[in-house]
Amino acid sequence: GAVVSQHPSRVICKSGTSVKIECRSLDFQATTMFWYRQFPKQSLMLMATSNEGSKATYEQGVEKDKFLINHASLTLSTLTVTSAHPEDSSFYICSAKLAGVYEQYFGPGTRLTVT
Amino acid sequence: GENVEQHPSTLSVQEGDSAVIKCTYSDSASNYFPWYKQELGKGPQLIIDIRSNVGEKKDQRIAVTLNKTAKHFSLHITETQPEDSAVYFCAARAVHDKIIFGKGTRLHILP
Repeated sequence: GAVVSQHPSRVICKSGTSVKIECRSLDFQATTMFWYRQFPKQSLMLMATSNEGSKATYEQGVEKDKFLINHASLTLSTLTVTSAHPEDSSFYICSAKLAGVYEQYFGPGTRLTVT
Repeated sequence: GENVEQHPSTLSVQEGDSAVIKCTYSDSASNYFPWYKQELGKGPQLIIDIRSNVGEKKDQRIAVTLNKTAKHFSLHITETQPEDSAVYFCAARAVHDKIIFGKGTRLHILP
């Protein structure tokens, strides 16, 4: 099956700093990537949809200036959490899909802890 | 927008017995329904999916059924094994390829 990687798997940062998370599709070209956030014992909540070469589309209630998304190539999307605060601590997961197919393949997630 | 309800939130079954998880969706335009298994600290893994033009799909011990009229779909796991213990999410594909998740079912397989 298709493989999606994320880096880093875990990150700890201080309040007020920024942190970047990478999402890569390893064996296919992903025209669309999605970013989700998951709090403990909760479901995945879609944050934004990212299409290669265009601006991301954010879900209602997600601050686009705080969660910067860049999808510069067909195999890489990045999520930057700017001016992180403890309430941003969460499990961030990306998914990727090919054009014309329904299946989405998820990365292993990134555990962000803001101290 | 699409809304997916999932029941039960927790399910305990004896090893070897069957487990059933049920979901409903709200948007009749949804046409793709994946199921994901998530183990602790990992991303969701696609285990089976079904499209709206099919009523049932089976893959070894896992099967999914879909009732479009009632907007219900269910996951059936037979002959459960300890490694089936995990959180299972149903989901529905909404507009713009968005995947909307149910709240999840924590499945415990009892020895």
